[in-house]
Amino acid sequence: AQSVTQPDIHITVSEGASLELRCNYSYGATPYLFWYVQSPGQGLQLLLKYFSGDTLVQGIKGFEAEFKRSQSSFNLRKPSVHWSDAAEYFCAVGNQAGTALIFGKGTTLSVSS
Amino acid sequence: NAGVMQNPRHLVRRRGQEARLRCSPMKGHSHVYWYRQLPEEGLKFMVYLQKENIIDESGMPKERFSAEFPKEGPSILRIQQVVRGDSAAYFCASSPGLAENEQFFGPGTRLTVL
Repeated sequence: AQSVTQPDIHITVSEGASLELRCNYSYGATPYLFWYVQSPGQGLQLLLKYFSGDTLVQGIKGFEAEFKRSQSSFNLRKPSVHWSDAAEYFCAVGNQAGTALIFGKGTTLSVSS
Repeated sequence: NAGVMQNPRHLVRRRGQEARLRCSPMKGHSHVYWYRQLPEEGLKFMVYLQKENIIDESGMPKERFSAEFPKEGPSILRIQQVVRGDSAAYFCASSPGLAENEQFFGPGTRLTVL
C-alpha cells in the first residue's frame, strides 16, 4: 500500500541548532515528493519538491531535502533553526504531477530559546 | 494574483444539518482537490475535480458527501446530515494541471458539528 511515514510526532530543537525531519515512503511508482509547512490555524505552504534530477533539493526559508531511493527517504534539513520555524511539517508523495497527494501524519517542531 | 480562497473559514452546524464549503482556485487553475484533516492526523485526500468533471473520488465517503466544480463559480463540497465525526478541517488545493505542477492550498474551513 502507498504510504508516508513521519516517525517523529514532536521534535524540539534549540534556536540556532540544526534540524532534520524524517520521512519514509512506500510507493509503487516513481515518487514525486513534497514537504509542506502548516502554521496553527493556517493552510499548507510548499517548502520544496522533488520530481527528478539532482537528489538534493533546495527550498524556501533555508530548507533542503535529500531524496534517497535506496532508503525510500526524503528527509528535510535546515542548518540553523529560527524561532519562526516552529510549525507542523508534512511530507507528501504523489505518483505524477497533478494527482492526489498522500500525506504523512506530520511532525510538530518546537523551537526553544 | 490571489491565492486559493475558501469560505467560510469557520462553520458550525448541528447534527443533521447540511454543510456547504466553497473553494475558489487560483486564477488560471482548472484542477481542484479536497482534503480532510482530522485532529492530529495528516491530510486525507477526498476528491479531485476539473471543471464540470469529477476525476477521482476514491477518498470520498459513499454517503452524505458530494462535490462539484461547475463551469462558472467555486467548487463546492457538500455534506448532508452532518454528524459529529465530520468535524474536521477541510482544505482545498488547486493546480494548473500542467506537468510537474504543485498543489496550492487554501486556508481551510474548520467545520464543527455540535
